[in-house]
Amino acid sequence: KQEVTQIPAALSVPEGENLVLNCSFTDSAIYNLQWFRQDPGKGLTSLLLIQSSQREQTSGRLNASLDKSSGRSTLYIAASQPGDSATYLCAVGGQGDSSYKLIFGSGTRLLVRP
Amino acid sequence: DAGITQSPRHKVTETGTPVTLRCHQTENHRYMYWYRQDPGHGLRLIHYSYGVKDTDKGEVSDGYSVSRSKTEDFLLTLESATSSQTSVYFCAISPTDRGTIYFGEGSWLTVV
Repeated sequence: KQEVTQIPAALSVPEGENLVLNCSFTDSAIYNLQWFRQDPGKGLTSLLLIQSSQREQTSGRLNASLDKSSGRSTLYIAASQPGDSATYLCAVGGQGDSSYKLIFGSGTRLLVRP
Repeated sequence: DAGITQSPRHKVTETGTPVTLRCHQTENHRYMYWYRQDPGHGLRLIHYSYGVKDTDKGEVSDGYSVSRSKTEDFLLTLESATSSQTSVYFCAISPTDRGTIYFGEGSWLTVV
């Protein structure tokens, strides 16, 4: 059974710092991996989608990498801003008939201090 | 933002009563999902739909049923609400089964 872990559960950094959020998964037979952002009391917003054949994806100050063989993904946030404060979740999509059953991590709660 | 509307957004109900949550989309996406989010458990899939009248169970489907009679609407019914079903419920949609997934704003349900 696929398990997705995100460490740390919470992170506090000063504004301007570059930071890395981690996501690990136990079964490397994934089809894709997505990173989401969730603001308090809100739904999830998709940030980046990495297909299993890709190594990384970039969007603005965000860069996500994927290493299937080691079961890891990282989300790199450059020059963090207070507006980046939110919970970040990763989710993996399986293969075959489980491809649309995303398995989510519990998230990393990020606070960027002014 | 993806055109997803969940209703009601907040509801308090009594144990044993039926409850229906509605998800309405304007994107004409084929796939629709219901998740619940709980502290310590993260997001878990309840049911999903891969087309009109085509639905299947997710990880935590006991006590829930769904229906999809139109592309744009996906209903989640708690047949007899229990306190363990107090949660935040999210509807999500996607155009394919392996692409980006878009979430609604959530429905907060409290069962007393």
